Amino acid sequence: GDSVTQMEGPVTLSEEAFLTINCTYTATGYPSLFWYVQYPGEGLQLLLKATKADDKGSNKGFEATYRKETTSFHLEKGSVQVSDSAVYFCALSGVASYDKVIFGPGTSLSVIP
Amino acid sequence: DTAVSQTPKYLVTQMGNDKSIKCEQNLGHDTMYWYKQDSKKFLKIMFSYNNKELIINETVPNRFSPKSPDKAHLNLHINSLELGDSAVYFCASSPWDTMNTGELFFGEGSRLTVL
Repeated sequence: GDSVTQMEGPVTLSEEAFLTINCTYTATGYPSLFWYVQYPGEGLQLLLKATKADDKGSNKGFEATYRKETTSFHLEKGSVQVSDSAVYFCALSGVASYDKVIFGPGTSLSVIP
Repeated sequence: DTAVSQTPKYLVTQMGNDKSIKCEQNLGHDTMYWYKQDSKKFLKIMFSYNNKELIINETVPNRFSPKSPDKAHLNLHINSLELGDSAVYFCASSPWDTMNTGELFFGEGSRLTVL
């Protein structure tokens, strides 16, 4: 079945460091790909998405590019802030309205001043 | 106004009890979900309803029973609670159209602790 794999955390970075969180997926067909973020004590929020190969999703300084050839959707940010400390989830969904969203295990990020 | 709201936010109860969690969304979405998040933050879908009709029913013990009285509400009732039911339960909603497939709006979660 479809699945999502993420790099294990926790990841600890200093403020203004470069962030990469790796995500790879296994799916039949051509899924849409997502990054969700969960701040402490809150529900998940959609951070960015890409719906087809070579699409780049971006939001709040975060970017991820849909790479069909490597089945990857790595999350990057050039300069992290303390406020970026959260758990990041990579996810995929099929194109049908009834397709469920499958989440990766999440990667915890802590940014220290 | 909170888009997806769940009550209660915290629930502490004894093994064997029955409890319910309620969810309401004011986004006009047709589809609602229940997810379970364990202590390692792993998220697992439990149920999904589209316009009051059950469309996803994962392998969940039948002690868990969802109910959707209308498309804006989705409740979760749990009978005979067990220690392993301790988790954070998230309600979510999404629009029913292919342009926004996979875009979920989550509530803040209901933390259930079974003693």
